[in-house]
Amino acid sequence: QVTLRESGPALVKPTQTLTLTCTFSGFSLSTSGMCVSWIRQPPGKALEWLALIDWDDDKYYSTSLKTRLTISKDTSKNQVVLTMTNMDPVDTATYYCARTSYGDYTYYFDYWGQGTLVTVSS
Amino acid sequence: SYVLTQPPSVSVAPGQTARITCGGNNIGSKSVHWYQQKPGQAPVLVVYDDSDRPSGIPERFSGSNSGNTATLTISRVEAGDEADYYCQVWDSSSDHHVVFGGGTKLTVL
Repeated sequence: QVTLRESGPALVKPTQTLTLTCTFSGFSLSTSGMCVSWIRQPPGKALEWLALIDWDDDKYYSTSLKTRLTISKDTSKNQVVLTMTNMDPVDTATYYCARTSYGDYTYYFDYWGQGTLVTVSS
Repeated sequence: SYVLTQPPSVSVAPGQTARITCGGNNIGSKSVHWYQQKPGQAPVLVVYDDSDRPSGIPERFSGSNSGNTATLTISRVEAGDEADYYCQVWDSSSDHHVVFGGGTKLTVL
């Protein structure tokens, strides 16, 4: 049974750095083809992909946000961490982590966490 | 950068067929994945690799992809299918990244 759970602060101040942790079970990030991604969704808006890390420690980032994002993994703890610097009120959103499967030159999200709402406000 | 275009809304009566489109330049050359999101819930994968269904997803959900348009088809629509639907691809043409469509709100009349 695959499960993912996001954890982190519910409220951050502008200019602060956000650190989110995804703790998962039911699969291993050392298995070929396994990846974990972060996706966010501002209230009432569409999904926005942020970052992906794969079994080989390759990392991919959203073009528009890559200067602010860092994704890392701790395979022994079954955790993936996302940091986002210089937070702004427009970054207020529900942040999801998702197990990401690699197929034929493609990636898709087959299991999702419940999401965590992060509000950016002073 | 690669752009996916979805209609903001689609309406259908119960028992009818809903078709939700996802437009992109030569999208037929990419694998398209579809997600269903109900209010207050995380998205759920309903179709992957254009037309495959994860286990537990009803056969009423199907997908196709050709040319510049991918389509999610929901047959015999039920009230419980009312949700937002998102298409998604992996774009490796320039910068390697995931692209989501803007989402389509399916309303069951």
